Amino acid sequence: GESVGLHLPTLSVQEGDNSIINCAYSNSASDYFIWYKQESGKGPQFIIDIRSNMDKRQGQRVTVLLNKTVKHLSLQIAATQPGDSAVYFCAGPFGGTSYGKLTFGQGTILTVHP
Amino acid sequence: GAGVSQSPRYKVTKRGQDVTLRCDPISSHATLYWYQQALGQGPEFLTYFNYEAQPDKSGLPSDRFSAERPEGSISTLTIQRTEQRDSAMYRCASSADLNEKLFFGSGTQLSVL
Repeated sequence: GESVGLHLPTLSVQEGDNSIINCAYSNSASDYFIWYKQESGKGPQFIIDIRSNMDKRQGQRVTVLLNKTVKHLSLQIAATQPGDSAVYFCAGPFGGTSYGKLTFGQGTILTVHP
Repeated sequence: GAGVSQSPRYKVTKRGQDVTLRCDPISSHATLYWYQQALGQGPEFLTYFNYEAQPDKSGLPSDRFSAERPEGSISTLTIQRTEQRDSAMYRCASSADLNEKLFFGSGTQLSVL
């Protein structure tokens, strides 16, 4: 039968470079956004979150930026390492009764070359 | 437990058969979620429990899908009369309460032949 390929955005960087992964959202209802990292064969892993009353939040080697005006979220990874290679998803609890009822974005494949 | 545990890791079944997937959340976590994840896509919400209550099952694709968490800990997701389109990774996640971050399990890969 016919197969359909799913083409996720990809980002390829060299080890040590900084990476920026972007996410656009259309629903303004969420007041909370999260970035997840998913390695091959594993479940999504929480990286960092941000509330809508903030525009920037920093973690260890990661920074999330939120621009509510243009409904854009970005994840910056400093000094990217091969272990950062994974699929990255943004997510938000849009219109739910729980912060765990999440809508995930499309995902971006990050490949880090040694 | 130390993390969210799901079983079986892989399940292959024939179309029309019923399957039951199991999730053992992190101990003491009040809230448990079921997601379905197709290859190359993000997880999609199916349903969730707060203790044994099931406040939201809006994501269940059809009435062939049901979930239980009778004692507020372990949960099962049952798919009756499986169809090929049910083939996917089914992920369970738990959180300490309704507004805490999720911890995902490794999932059950379901293949319906």
